[in-house]
Amino acid sequence: DADVTQTPRNRITKTGKRIMLECSQTKGHDRMYWYRQDPGLGLRLIYYSFDVKDINKGEISDGYSVSRQAQAKFSLSLESAIPNQTALYFCATSGTPSYNEQFFGPGTRLTVL
Amino acid sequence: QKEVEQDPGPLSVPEGAIVSLNCTYSNSAFQYFMWYRQYSRKGPELLMYTYSSGNKEDGRFTAQVDKSSKYISLFIRDSQPSDSATYLCAMRSSGNTPLVFGKGTRLSVIA
Repeated sequence: DADVTQTPRNRITKTGKRIMLECSQTKGHDRMYWYRQDPGLGLRLIYYSFDVKDINKGEISDGYSVSRQAQAKFSLSLESAIPNQTALYFCATSGTPSYNEQFFGPGTRLTVL
Repeated sequence: QKEVEQDPGPLSVPEGAIVSLNCTYSNSAFQYFMWYRQYSRKGPELLMYTYSSGNKEDGRFTAQVDKSSKYISLFIRDSQPSDSATYLCAMRSSGNTPLVFGKGTRLSVIA
C-alpha cells in the first residue's frame, strides 16, 4: 500500500460547490502539506501543518481551508469552488530524520466547471 | 522577483548527452538545497539533497551549490530516456520553514 494516499484521485465539480480533498499517511510523519500544481506555475504551497495543533497558511491560501484531524490525516476544503481552482493537488509529508525530504501522494486532479 | 527562479524549458537532448539544470534564488538565508524529479502523472520524488555550498555526486547525478552566486545546478551524465521528467529545485532556510520550489524544468531525452 502507498505511504501517502489521496482521495478522490479525480473530481469534476461545479462552481459554488463545497469540495473536500483528503490525505492520509502511514509514514508516521508529523508534518503535512497541501500544494497545487498548474502548468507554468509549478508547485505552490496552500497550507502546511507541523503537528496536529499547528496550521499555517502558505503562498496561496485564499479560498481554501484545512483540517488536521489526526497526525495521519490532513484534509483540504474548497468552501465555494471557482474555475481558477482547477488544478492538480498534491498532499505531502515529511518527518525525522530529514524534513527536507517530502513524500508526495499521487495527486488529485480537480476540475471546476 | 520570485524567491526561486527556474527555466521551465522544455529541454530536449539526445541520449548520452550531459544535461545541466539550474536555479537561482534571492534569499541568502537558504541553506538546504534539493532536487526533486517528477514523472508524468506522478508526485515529485527527492533526487538529491545538499546542505550549504559544495558538490554532491550520486551515480550519474551531481548537484552543485554556489551560495556566493545564489545559484544551484544539477548535472546528469550519460542521460537516458528514463531521465525524461520534470526536475524541480527546492530550498529552505533553517528552522521550521517550508520548502520553496522552483517551477520545474521539463526534460526529454531522445533515444
